[in-house]
Amino acid sequence: AQRVTQPEKLLSVFKGAPVELKCNYSYSGSPELFWYVQYSRQRLQLLLRHISRESIKGFTADLNKGETSFHLKKPFAQEEDSAMYYCALSGSSNTGKLIFGQGTTLQVKP
Amino acid sequence: GAVVSQHPSWVICKSGTSVKIECRSLDFQATTMFWYRQFPKQSLMLMATSNEGSKATYEQGVEKDKFLINHASLTLSTLTVTSAHPEDSSFYICSASQVGHGYTFGSGTRLTVV
Repeated sequence: AQRVTQPEKLLSVFKGAPVELKCNYSYSGSPELFWYVQYSRQRLQLLLRHISRESIKGFTADLNKGETSFHLKKPFAQEEDSAMYYCALSGSSNTGKLIFGQGTTLQVKP
Repeated sequence: GAVVSQHPSWVICKSGTSVKIECRSLDFQATTMFWYRQFPKQSLMLMATSNEGSKATYEQGVEKDKFLINHASLTLSTLTVTSAHPEDSSFYICSASQVGHGYTFGSGTRLTVV
């Protein structure tokens, strides 16, 4: 069964500190992994997808198949990064159903 | 970029009535549309997957007679909450997908049943 686990409900850091939002997944085949962000009162937006291997707003994420993880990292957090972050998994082509983790609220304090 | 429009953004209805929520892909044809439900401070729970012209596939535990999904065209899917009850109050979000566009989300609909 597909499952995405984000162990932290809340992560609070100070501005300028490094950030790592954890995501682990369970899937028997070759999944496609995503990170979505939801700022206050806004819709979900795609932040990263593992196949593109790009850096958006300073965030990066590497798929580790051995550890079945896709942790989101940023070396220096900014206050505007405060938001809800969701890790998600799709099990087939990118039009297959998307399953979300529980979400982690990132709070960046000044 | 790809845009998905979801209406209404909020609705209040009386218990026992039905409510229809629309999800439109504005500048692309969506191969598949998905409907999610989100409880306060919780994640998005996938309710169903719909492909244009065919019956929706519902996730386990989701009542298909309660949550009617119609996907009549490549740009429009609707979710109708039938005989709504207070426990149906929630935030409903649609998502549309197409090869090359990935997944695009609507802004969500806040349903309150009184």
